[in-house]
Amino acid sequence: EAGVTQSPTHLIKTRGQQVTLRCSPISGHTSVYWYQQALGLGLQFLLWYDEGEERNRGNFPPRFSGRQFPNYSSELNVNALELEDSALYLCASSFGDRVEQYFGPGTRLTVT
Amino acid sequence: LAKTTQPVSMDSYEGQEVNITCSHNNIATNDYITWYQQFPSQGPRFIIQGYKTKVTNEVASLFIPADRKSSTLSLPRVSLSDTAVYYCLVGDINNAGNMLTFGGGTRLMVKP
Repeated sequence: EAGVTQSPTHLIKTRGQQVTLRCSPISGHTSVYWYQQALGLGLQFLLWYDEGEERNRGNFPPRFSGRQFPNYSSELNVNALELEDSALYLCASSFGDRVEQYFGPGTRLTVT
Repeated sequence: LAKTTQPVSMDSYEGQEVNITCSHNNIATNDYITWYQQFPSQGPRFIIQGYKTKVTNEVASLFIPADRKSSTLSLPRVSLSDTAVYYCLVGDINNAGNMLTFGGGTRLMVKP
């Protein structure tokens, strides 16, 4: 069974640009979560999608947004990139509202 | 949302048993306790989950006292490959949205 996949693996952007990160959950999982992990820090929750709806949102500005598609894959969009947006962005999926989350390898975003 | 407190770091040697304690004084009746492991530049990996008393699987044991205000993750006979950050999470198993706060975790260093 394939795990959670994310693309791209690495990304370099400049300040002010926009970026889209993609996540494909494990087959059968309906919930997708996005986290940000800055270098050396813990995971910060960004967004939770379930059945195509945004269920919860972390303490991030509106320029962080996303969506979940009918096939349960998801996108995270970040507008007007700032230097402090440089981080590892992790996507996780779970089956419905089950707590156990399975994480993808992450996308390393560098903003210069 | 129950807040958790863990030691920032711990050192151990190969072959030893490691116990990492997590405090969660305001745990709610419906809350479960879940532990994740994270290696550098990778997504966290689910280790174990429990509600009370003791839970054991092939990689770890989780001890939860009667008052549930703390929990202890026990790793038997650690190896160098167990060097990682370990996160304790507390939340309602029926509402995955509550399990979204990862604290700073405990950085375990296993030495030869």
